Amino acid sequence: QSVLTQPPSVSGDPGQRVTISCTGSSSNIGAGYDVHWYQQLPGTAPKLLISGNSIRPSGVPDRFSGSKSGTSASLAITGLQAEDEADYYCQSYDNSLYVVFGGGTRLTVL
Amino acid sequence: QVQLVQSGAEVKRPGASVKVSCKASGYTFTTYAMHWVRQAPGQRLEWMGWISAGNGDTKYSQKFQGRVTITRDTSASTVYMELSSLRSEDTAVYYCARYVVPFDTWGQGTLVTVSS
Repeated sequence: QSVLTQPPSVSGDPGQRVTISCTGSSSNIGAGYDVHWYQQLPGTAPKLLISGNSIRPSGVPDRFSGSKSGTSASLAITGLQAEDEADYYCQSYDNSLYVVFGGGTRLTVL
Repeated sequence: QVQLVQSGAEVKRPGASVKVSCKASGYTFTTYAMHWVRQAPGQRLEWMGWISAGNGDTKYSQKFQGRVTITRDTSASTVYMELSSLRSEDTAVYYCARYVVPFDTWGQGTLVTVSS
């Protein structure tokens, strides 16, 4: 199982808002390490979506936002669009394990 | 533009080794570390290790310690990941990813299939 826990799946209608949680512990997110988010479209490599908990790289729509609090982080997607259908992964660091990823969340746009 | 181009798909027998390459372009190769991440079919991303492209220092995940070796050739702007004693569970897509806090650029992935 993953060190960072994500829900296996979330879904929403076009135009809606969805959130994806990423829960860690005191040895990773709770230790103050940043959380980053990646989007992986089917059959492609992951793409950086959010860095440093809440920073959107150039080219990422402002419909995507990130936050972090305590031992958890969240990715929010507003104005859901069909092209947002993908797998989403959170990533952080761990005192013992170094780089850690969440288990991934499959977003389905209904 | 920054680009990471990986070598092609491989099919290996159990017990064999595989060496995957990742050629970088579009930036000063020795400036940033390179990591390797793998993804088994339908599974999550799994971090394997990294190398400092500048001085060659490496760090590996405990899970792969002793089986994985990451090296680099600065003259060719290329990083290599070798995984030995392959077993069926190593069947996965292997990605290299440039580390600019965090992974800002990824290779296209290399499918390694381990089958007898």
